[in-house]
Amino acid sequence: ETGVTQTPRHLVMGMTNKKSLKCEQHLGHNAMYWYKQSAKKPLELMFVYSLEERVENNSVPSRFSPECPNSSHLFLHLHTLQPEDSALYLCASSQDPPGGIRSKQFFGPGTRLTVL
Amino acid sequence: DAKTTQPPSMDCAEGRAANLPCNHSTISGNEYVYWYRQIHSQGPQYIIHGLKNNETNEMASLIITEDRKSSTLILPHATLRDTAVYYCIVRDGTGANNLFFGTGTRLTVIP
Repeated sequence: ETGVTQTPRHLVMGMTNKKSLKCEQHLGHNAMYWYKQSAKKPLELMFVYSLEERVENNSVPSRFSPECPNSSHLFLHLHTLQPEDSALYLCASSQDPPGGIRSKQFFGPGTRLTVL
Repeated sequence: DAKTTQPPSMDCAEGRAANLPCNHSTISGNEYVYWYRQIHSQGPQYIIHGLKNNETNEMASLIITEDRKSSTLILPHATLRDTAVYYCIVRDGTGANNLFFGTGTRLTVIP
């Protein structure tokens, strides 16, 4: 138990569906992240939120839309996905002091997404 | 961030020490060495990190060479639950937020 929870743990959706992934951290951290892990590929950073503002967006297609309503919650809204978007989606959080050394990240268990 | 090179796989007998090497010959002075592991179908787990000095915590020890071009993660008494992919990451402490995980070393602990 890392203090980062993700729901749902498994999701199967059609290409025309709209769904959302939810992440919640109970650690009081100020930064949250979405990563994607496709089969046999390294983890890829998708989005970073620091103090509830998006600070990084690594060329992610617009069919993925993140939302960070407060420092404890992070969503990833999905619409019109493609089968190649099937992957493990991981959420992480960290406590980063301003201008200080970046700290370790705590990961949730992930959501296994299958797009049919 | 500097690139790292790790062997793709290693085996270790249960109860023995597992020594996982990592080369990071292009590391710069302000870059830290981080180790994470990922047990099958779970999220990565932080293990340890260091800058210059050797470090030890309840999970592992990190040995960094004097020139900082390589490091070794040591699991002193490997158990079956230590079977996982281990990632060595070199990262500027105040730079980008992302961690580049690479392909890591798949450690299999054998009974």
